[in-house]
Amino acid sequence: GDSVTQMEGPVTLSEEAFLTINCTYTATGYPSLFWYVQYPGEGLQLLLKATKADDKGSNKGFEATYRKETTSFHLEKGSVQVSDSAVYFCALTSEYGNKLVFGAGTILRVKS
Amino acid sequence: KAGVTQTPRYLIKTRGQQVTLSCSPISGHRSVSWYQQTPGQGLQFLFEYFSETQRNKGNFPGRFSGRQFSNSRSEMNVSTLELGDSALYLCASSPQPPHGTQYFGPGTRLLVL
Repeated sequence: GDSVTQMEGPVTLSEEAFLTINCTYTATGYPSLFWYVQYPGEGLQLLLKATKADDKGSNKGFEATYRKETTSFHLEKGSVQVSDSAVYFCALTSEYGNKLVFGAGTILRVKS
Repeated sequence: KAGVTQTPRYLIKTRGQQVTLSCSPISGHRSVSWYQQTPGQGLQFLFEYFSETQRNKGNFPGRFSGRQFSNSRSEMNVSTLELGDSALYLCASSPQPPHGTQYFGPGTRLLVL
Protein backbone atom coordinates (compact mmCIF):
# COMPACT_ATOMS: atom_id res chain seq x y z
CA GLY A 1 0.00 0.00 0.00
CA ASP A 2 0.87 3.66 -0.08
CA SER A 3 3.39 4.88 2.48
CA VAL A 4 5.40 7.96 3.47
CA THR A 5 8.80 7.99 5.14
CA GLN A 6 10.16 11.07 6.88
CA MET A 7 13.50 11.73 8.46
CA GLU A 8 13.46 11.12 12.17
CA GLY A 9 13.75 13.98 14.56
CA PRO A 10 14.00 15.92 16.55
CA VAL A 11 15.77 18.41 14.34
CA THR A 12 17.34 21.20 16.38
CA LEU A 13 18.50 24.36 14.61
CA SER A 14 19.58 27.85 15.53
CA GLU A 15 17.50 30.77 14.35
CA GLU A 16 18.23 31.76 10.72
CA ALA A 17 19.65 28.33 9.88
CA PHE A 18 18.68 26.45 6.71
CA LEU A 19 16.09 23.72 7.12
CA THR A 20 15.63 20.50 5.19
CA ILE A 21 13.24 17.75 6.23
CA ASN A 22 13.41 14.73 3.94
CA CYS A 23 10.29 12.94 2.76
CA THR A 24 9.99 10.02 0.37
CA TYR A 25 6.89 8.14 -0.65
CA THR A 26 5.66 4.91 -2.16
CA ALA A 27 2.47 5.05 -4.16
CA THR A 28 0.98 3.77 -7.36
CA GLY A 29 0.03 6.24 -10.03
CA TYR A 30 0.22 9.96 -9.40
CA PRO A 31 -0.42 10.93 -5.79
CA SER A 32 -0.89 14.45 -4.49
CA LEU A 33 1.69 15.45 -1.87
CA PHE A 34 1.29 17.65 1.20
CA TRP A 35 3.13 19.11 4.12
CA TYR A 36 1.11 19.77 7.27
CA VAL A 37 2.34 21.45 10.45
CA GLN A 38 1.10 20.89 13.98
CA TYR A 39 1.76 23.35 16.79
CA PRO A 40 1.49 22.17 20.40
CA GLY A 41 -2.09 21.49 21.43
CA GLU A 42 -3.51 22.19 17.99
CA GLY A 43 -4.77 20.36 14.93
CA LEU A 44 -2.98 20.13 11.60
CA GLN A 45 -2.48 23.14 9.37
CA LEU A 46 -1.87 22.76 5.67
CA LEU A 47 1.55 24.24 4.91
CA LEU A 48 1.86 23.52 1.19
CA LYS A 49 0.93 21.02 -1.49
CA ALA A 50 1.84 19.79 -4.97
CA THR A 51 -0.42 17.78 -7.19
CA LYS A 52 1.79 16.76 -10.10
CA ALA A 53 5.41 16.01 -10.90
CA ASP A 54 7.81 18.99 -10.85
CA ASP A 55 5.24 21.20 -9.12
CA LYS A 56 6.70 23.36 -6.37
CA GLY A 57 4.52 24.14 -3.38
CA SER A 58 5.42 27.17 -1.30
CA ASN A 59 4.07 29.08 1.67
CA LYS A 60 5.50 31.29 4.45
CA GLY A 61 9.06 30.79 3.16
CA PHE A 62 8.74 26.99 3.04
CA GLU A 63 9.13 25.15 -0.27
CA ALA A 64 8.91 21.58 -1.52
CA THR A 65 9.20 20.17 -5.05
CA TYR A 66 7.37 17.04 -6.22
CA ARG A 67 10.11 14.79 -7.63
CA LYS A 68 8.63 11.73 -9.26
CA GLU A 69 11.97 10.31 -10.38
CA THR A 70 13.19 10.14 -6.78
CA THR A 71 9.70 9.81 -5.21
CA SER A 72 10.54 12.67 -2.88
CA PHE A 73 8.98 15.85 -1.52
CA HIS A 74 11.60 17.40 0.75
CA LEU A 75 10.65 20.46 2.80
CA GLU A 76 13.06 23.41 2.84
CA LYS A 77 13.25 26.86 4.36
CA GLY A 78 16.11 29.26 3.96
CA SER A 79 16.01 30.87 7.39
CA VAL A 80 14.04 29.36 10.26
CA GLN A 81 12.55 31.30 13.15
CA VAL A 82 11.76 30.25 16.70
CA SER A 83 8.08 30.41 15.76
CA ASP A 84 8.64 27.59 13.23
CA SER A 85 9.13 25.13 16.11
CA ALA A 86 6.44 22.49 15.56
CA VAL A 87 5.87 18.98 14.22
CA TYR A 88 5.91 18.65 10.44
CA PHE A 89 4.06 15.87 8.64
CA CYS A 90 4.53 14.80 5.04
CA ALA A 91 1.45 13.16 3.53
CA LEU A 92 -0.06 11.92 0.31
CA THR A 93 -3.42 11.12 -1.20
CA SER A 94 -3.64 8.66 -4.04
CA GLU A 95 -5.11 9.69 -7.36
CA TYR A 96 -8.08 7.46 -6.57
CA GLY A 97 -9.27 8.82 -3.25
CA ASN A 98 -9.16 11.33 -0.47
CA LYS A 99 -7.52 9.25 2.26
CA LEU A 100 -4.40 10.97 3.62
CA VAL A 101 -1.43 8.72 4.37
CA PHE A 102 0.98 10.41 6.78
CA GLY A 103 4.61 10.06 7.64
CA ALA A 104 5.58 9.71 11.30
CA GLY A 105 6.23 13.43 11.70
CA THR A 106 9.42 15.36 12.37
CA ILE A 107 9.82 17.55 15.44
CA LEU A 108 11.58 20.82 14.68
CA ARG A 109 13.09 22.87 17.50
CA VAL A 110 14.54 26.28 16.72
CA LYS A 111 16.71 27.96 19.34
CA SER A 112 17.24 31.70 19.59
CA LYS B 1 -14.92 31.57 6.37
CA ALA B 2 -15.06 29.75 9.65
CA GLY B 3 -12.79 26.74 9.90
CA VAL B 4 -13.58 23.18 10.86
CA THR B 5 -15.01 22.99 14.36
CA GLN B 6 -14.97 19.99 16.64
CA THR B 7 -16.80 19.43 19.90
CA PRO B 8 -16.04 18.72 22.60
CA ARG B 9 -12.37 19.67 22.70
CA TYR B 10 -11.57 17.45 25.69
CA LEU B 11 -13.26 14.38 27.05
CA ILE B 12 -12.58 11.94 29.86
CA LYS B 13 -14.34 8.57 29.85
CA THR B 14 -13.91 5.24 31.57
CA ARG B 15 -13.40 1.85 29.99
CA GLY B 16 -16.56 0.29 28.63
CA GLN B 17 -18.36 3.58 28.07
CA GLN B 18 -19.18 4.99 24.67
CA VAL B 19 -18.47 8.42 23.25
CA THR B 20 -19.73 10.60 20.41
CA LEU B 21 -17.60 13.28 18.81
CA SER B 22 -18.92 15.98 16.51
CA CYS B 23 -17.44 17.80 13.53
CA SER B 24 -18.78 20.75 11.56
CA PRO B 25 -16.99 21.22 8.23
CA ILE B 26 -16.07 24.44 6.50
CA SER B 27 -19.14 25.95 4.87
CA GLY B 28 -19.60 24.46 1.41
CA HIS B 29 -17.40 21.44 2.09
CA ARG B 30 -19.22 18.18 1.59
CA SER B 31 -16.56 15.63 2.46
CA VAL B 32 -15.56 14.86 6.03
CA SER B 33 -12.76 12.53 7.11
CA TRP B 34 -11.72 11.38 10.56
CA TYR B 35 -8.23 10.52 11.79
CA GLN B 36 -6.83 9.17 15.04
CA GLN B 37 -3.51 10.48 16.34
CA THR B 38 -1.55 8.61 19.01
CA PRO B 39 2.13 8.77 20.01
CA GLY B 40 2.63 5.12 19.11
CA GLN B 41 0.72 4.78 15.84
CA GLY B 42 0.87 8.33 14.54
CA LEU B 43 -1.92 9.61 12.32
CA GLN B 44 -4.27 6.93 11.05
CA PHE B 45 -7.29 7.26 8.79
CA LEU B 46 -10.61 6.18 10.30
CA PHE B 47 -13.24 6.90 7.64
CA GLU B 48 -14.50 9.38 5.08
CA TYR B 49 -18.04 10.54 4.40
CA PHE B 50 -19.47 12.32 1.40
CA SER B 51 -23.14 13.05 0.78
CA GLU B 52 -24.10 11.07 3.89
CA THR B 53 -22.36 7.94 2.57
CA GLN B 54 -19.20 6.32 3.85
CA ARG B 55 -16.76 6.32 0.93
CA ASN B 56 -13.75 4.80 2.58
CA LYS B 57 -12.87 3.11 5.84
CA GLY B 58 -9.57 2.53 7.60
CA ASN B 59 -8.44 -0.52 9.48
CA PHE B 60 -10.25 -0.03 12.77
CA PRO B 61 -12.57 -2.38 14.64
CA GLY B 62 -16.33 -2.11 14.31
CA ARG B 63 -16.49 -0.25 17.64
CA PHE B 64 -15.59 2.82 15.62
CA SER B 65 -18.44 4.15 13.54
CA GLY B 66 -19.53 7.39 12.00
CA ARG B 67 -22.24 9.14 10.11
CA GLN B 68 -22.84 12.29 8.17
CA PHE B 69 -25.94 14.43 8.14
CA SER B 70 -27.59 16.26 5.26
CA ASN B 71 -25.90 19.52 6.30
CA SER B 72 -22.49 17.74 6.01
CA ARG B 73 -21.91 17.75 9.76
CA SER B 74 -20.45 14.48 10.94
CA GLU B 75 -20.27 12.46 14.12
CA MET B 76 -18.11 9.56 15.08
CA ASN B 77 -18.92 7.10 17.82
CA VAL B 78 -16.69 4.75 19.74
CA SER B 79 -18.44 2.08 21.76
CA THR B 80 -17.03 -0.05 24.58
CA LEU B 81 -14.04 2.21 25.08
CA GLU B 82 -10.63 0.71 25.71
CA LEU B 83 -7.58 2.36 27.25
CA GLY B 84 -5.90 2.28 23.83
CA ASP B 85 -8.61 4.52 22.40
CA SER B 86 -7.06 7.47 24.22
CA ALA B 87 -6.00 9.75 21.40
CA LEU B 88 -6.48 13.00 19.59
CA TYR B 89 -9.33 12.59 17.09
CA LEU B 90 -9.05 14.92 14.14
CA CYS B 91 -11.71 15.80 11.64
CA ALA B 92 -10.90 17.20 8.20
CA SER B 93 -13.17 18.63 5.55
CA SER B 94 -12.70 19.13 1.83
CA PRO B 95 -14.91 20.48 -0.92
CA GLN B 96 -15.45 17.16 -2.64
CA PRO B 97 -13.49 13.98 -3.21
CA PRO B 98 -11.40 12.60 -4.67
CA HIS B 99 -8.94 15.45 -5.00
CA GLY B 100 -10.00 18.10 -2.53
CA THR B 101 -7.38 19.42 -0.14
CA GLN B 102 -8.30 18.56 3.43
CA TYR B 103 -8.47 21.17 6.17
CA PHE B 104 -8.31 20.04 9.76
CA GLY B 105 -10.11 21.03 12.91
CA PRO B 106 -8.42 21.45 16.31
CA GLY B 107 -9.28 17.92 17.36
CA THR B 108 -10.97 16.26 20.32
CA ARG B 109 -8.62 14.88 22.93
CA LEU B 110 -10.10 11.74 24.46
CA LEU B 111 -8.71 10.20 27.61
CA VAL B 112 -9.98 6.76 28.62
CA LEU B 113 -9.38 5.78 32.25
